[in-house]
Amino acid sequence: QSALTQPPSASGSPGQSVTISCTGTSSDVGGYNYVSWYQQHPGKAPKLMIYEVSKRPSGVPDRFSGSKSGNTASLTVSGLQAEDEADYYCSSYAGSNNFPYVFGTGTKVTVL
Amino acid sequence: EVQLVESGGGLVQPGGSLRLSCAASGFTFSNYWMSWVRQAPGKGLEWVANIKQDGSEKYYVDSVKGRFSISRDSAKNSLYLQMNSLRAEDTAVYYCARGTTAADPWGQGTLVIVSS
Repeated sequence: QSALTQPPSASGSPGQSVTISCTGTSSDVGGYNYVSWYQQHPGKAPKLMIYEVSKRPSGVPDRFSGSKSGNTASLTVSGLQAEDEADYYCSSYAGSNNFPYVFGTGTKVTVL
Repeated sequence: EVQLVESGGGLVQPGGSLRLSCAASGFTFSNYWMSWVRQAPGKGLEWVANIKQDGSEKYYVDSVKGRFSISRDSAKNSLYLQMNSLRAEDTAVYYCARGTTAADPWGQGTLVIVSS
């Protein structure tokens, strides 16, 4: 199972928006509405930010939103804040063949 | 408070074994799939293994098949990862997480170093 493709880095100034893409195939991202996004600060455990493409867990600010078109999912962070600077990983269900889950390659978001 | 606490990591020689544990609290452990995820130093996240609520289904990433075994004990609210025939490339922080498609929360992680 190949990792989903994310850009290595993204950046924006405070208050601006940044969008991160996550590209897979019809066997994972495109085939199921089970895309999730995780935020990870240095030295910390990952935190769930978005699940099932666009749903936010309780406590996650509505500045974080998710979407999907075809084989590509996206995470948008609006109104960037300093604390949003972190690594972000997407993940998708990939069916019951072999191993059913896959992560993206990760994107480092920098707040300028 | 929902909490996961991993233990059992450490330094082990290539070819050796370790057993990781994950103690769960604050939720009904037997109601959830559970997962192990690892992160090599400076690298991204990698799913390692998942286990169904009753232990009847288990999945492993190809790189650990035949060497790692995931298990759970609902009486002890605990998840385990038995790691045998360890290799240098298994060096990583190992996290346990509740769930699979929406893994939440995660433990703080336990570091496994495979080196002679």
